[in-house]
Amino acid sequence: SAVISQKPSRDICQRGTSLTIQCQVDSQVTMMFWYRQQPGQSLTLIATANQGSEATYESGFVIDKFPISRPNLTFSTLTVSNMSPEDSSIYLCSVGGANYGYTFGSGTRLTVV
Amino acid sequence: SQQGEEDPQALSIQEGENATMNCSYKTSINNLQWYRQNSGRGLVHLILIRSNEREKHSGRLRVTLDTSKKSSSLLITASRAADTASYFCATADGTASKLTFGTGTRLQVTL
Repeated sequence: SAVISQKPSRDICQRGTSLTIQCQVDSQVTMMFWYRQQPGQSLTLIATANQGSEATYESGFVIDKFPISRPNLTFSTLTVSNMSPEDSSIYLCSVGGANYGYTFGSGTRLTVV
Repeated sequence: SQQGEEDPQALSIQEGENATMNCSYKTSINNLQWYRQNSGRGLVHLILIRSNEREKHSGRLRVTLDTSKKSSSLLITASRAADTASYFCATADGTASKLTFGTGTRLQVTL
């Protein structure tokens, strides 16, 4: 299965600023997925990133707040923009297929103060 | 929403005992998967069971699926302290294009 390197592992940010999270995969993949896990909660899909096209966002998530880049088949970034304390969460990227399972990055624990 | 509900929310057992977690979901699925998460880190895929399967084993893990009741269970036998983690079920929709995660069960295994 693929191996994902996700950075940073954690950060503490001031409200109003932005943070970009990176995920590097050790193999080429068609789709990458970005999830948010709010404190003590389950995972919620933010968007699906395909290389060469705009990301597809889930209900409740918009591109202006969570812009995503997918410049090639092994890399993606998620930016959390104009942060507020409500954005404090763990953000995870993943790859795989719903038919066989997903591999996750180690997560980015974001605290907004 | 197809999000699964897991039961119990939290479970505390002693090492050597068995742990059973249940997951219920709302709509038809292609498959159901179980994941483990240690201390807010990334998730690890444990096992996948397809909609036409009823039971699956992997090491100390046993998963059952009842599509008529829209429910699944995960049994961990002879638990160890290292099994302490949160466990999530996730369902793949009919097109198997994405996963929807359940609410999770926090398992604590004590010595």
